[in-house]
Amino acid sequence: DAGVIQSPRHEVTEMGQEVTLRCKPISGHNSLFWYRQTMMRGLELLIYFNNNVPIDDSGMPEDRFSAKMPNASFSTLKIQPSEPRDSAVYFCASGGARNTEAFFGQGTRLTVV
Amino acid sequence: TQLLEQSPQFLSIQEGENLTVYCNSSSVFSSLQWYRQEPGEGPVLLVTVVTGGEVKKLKRLTFQFGDARKDSSLHITAAQPGDTGLYLCAGARTNAGKSTFGDGTTLTVKP
Repeated sequence: DAGVIQSPRHEVTEMGQEVTLRCKPISGHNSLFWYRQTMMRGLELLIYFNNNVPIDDSGMPEDRFSAKMPNASFSTLKIQPSEPRDSAVYFCASGGARNTEAFFGQGTRLTVV
Repeated sequence: TQLLEQSPQFLSIQEGENLTVYCNSSSVFSSLQWYRQEPGEGPVLLVTVVTGGEVKKLKRLTFQFGDARKDSSLHITAAQPGDTGLYLCAGARTNAGKSTFGDGTTLTVKP
């Protein structure tokens, strides 16, 4: 079975540009999580969806960040405009019946210069 | 304030040694997960514990959930270089939705 698929794996962009990260969760999972990982702050939950509905976005840093889940097989995390402090590894994860368990993708390493 | 405190932060040992890492909190969790993350990859789920006092074994790894469901430990017997990685614990206060991650223990097992 395919795991969580994220794209791109690496993204380098200039400050001020829009960045869109993509995620395909595991088929049949009804929860989807977006995390950000940095050395300073560790793994932080940004937002999670249940049945395509955003349940908790309290971890989204500011209005520059937005996330959508138009259907059960696709989600996006958008940063507009991007800033150097957004540089991090962004993970998407999905969860099934026991949705406290998260199955992670390989991440997108974002560098904003 | 970090909800989940993991210790030690770093651990470097020789192949064949035993080790224990800890995950502590002042909060009660309905479930707690342990993950291992290797460089360049996402965390991989190892185990979930839900009952106070529960012990689960996964080959050379033994996971224990505290009686009060506030803390957990991971014990590795006869560590191997392949055990090298970042070990993360994550706790959920309810059965639905989000978990909070600790900062992790970085384990290095030298051959």
